[in-house]
Formats: sequence, structure tokens, C-alpha cells
Amino acid sequence: NAGVTQTPKFRILKIGQSMTLQCTQDMNHNYMYWYRQDPGMGLKLIYYSVGAGITDKGEVPNGYNVSRSTTEDFPLRLELAAPSQTSVYFCASRPGLAREQYFGPGTRLTVT
Amino acid sequence: GENVEQHPSTLSVQEGDSAVIKCTYSDSASNYFPWYKQELGKRPQLIIDIRSNVGEKKDQRIAVTLNKTAKHFSLHITETQPEDSAVYFCAASITGNQFYFGTGTSLTVIP
Repeated sequence: NAGVTQTPKFRILKIGQSMTLQCTQDMNHNYMYWYRQDPGMGLKLIYYSVGAGITDKGEVPNGYNVSRSTTEDFPLRLELAAPSQTSVYFCASRPGLAREQYFGPGTRLTVT
Repeated sequence: GENVEQHPSTLSVQEGDSAVIKCTYSDSASNYFPWYKQELGKRPQLIIDIRSNVGEKKDQRIAVTLNKTAKHFSLHITETQPEDSAVYFCAASITGNQFYFGTGTSLTVIP
């Protein structure tokens, strides 16, 4: 199993541009999450999904959108990128009953 | 929502000494408390977790204690080694859907 994979690893965006961060897991996990981690800070939940077709907002959803059309994929969309969205983005997944989250390697995004 | 506070933000210990990191949470409904280790430039990895029906859990040199009345939980690392140097995060969850993280403790183990 590849586990949780994220693309791209790094990206530089100009203010106002849009992009999609990709997240895929091959463990057939129902639950998937998107977090952002600012320098020297903990992780903040952006959006999460409890299964295909179901998504919900976390702590910091403004400026982001998600979709979950399949169990495997959970892309995060940034519209009109702003410098405040400069961060490292982690995707995670977990099985339905167990609590442990498995994190992807992260995407480092810079908006200038 | 839940608010998790973590202290200290940095911690230096001599190799072989113990390290203790403390977290408090605000919502008494929180019932799951994981701890993650994150090495520089890497993803967070679960090292130990505890559920609210248990007061203490150990795994070799790592232990976690939970005080539900005071709403705090702690990570204890004994016989620290240089490879324990990393950033440690605590988290709390009520439903298992949303996880609230502390701001992290940067642990340095001095050889």
C-alpha cells in the first residue's frame, strides 16, 4: 500500500491564482481530512469527510473547497489564493472505527 | 469548539533524563487524546493515544496520563535518546470526526 499520497510536494502561487491539492489513499478508509500547519503551530482542520459524497467544515474552511466523489480521493481547492494561505497542507485518513489518523507527506504552498 | 493548550513550547533535556509535556483541553465531552511526533520536514506520526475511560497508558519508554476532572493529559518520555528530538503535538477529539491540536513542543535531547 502507498498509504496517503499528496501532490504536488511544493507549489508557489501568485495572489489571486487557484489550484487544487490532490490527496489519494489506497487503504479504503472512510474518513479523510485536510489540515494546514503554519510555521511553529499545530494543525488546524480545514475540511473533513466521513465517506464518499459527504463533506463538512472544520475550524478554518474559509477560502477552500473540497469534494469527495470517491472513497480514494479528497482534493482541496483554493480559489483566489491569498498570502494568508501560505502554509503546509496535510491530508490524512482513518478507518471508520479506529481513531488513528494516517497522514500524507504534505504540500508546501507559498502565495506571493 | 474545543481549545487545546500545550506546554512547554520548547524543552531541552540531557540524554537519559525524562521529558514531560502537558496539555489541557476545554470541552469535557472530549474522549480521545492522541500524541503525534513530527520530525523536521516530515509528516506527523501517532506515538501513543488514550481514551477517556483509561487513566494511564504505557508503551515502552512512552506513557500518557489523563486527568478528566482537571481536563489535562500529559506525555512522559523516560530514558530519552537523541532520536527522540522532534516536535510533539497533543490533540483532542470529541466525536472522532474533528481533531483539535495543541501548538506543539519542540523537544531537544542533548547527547
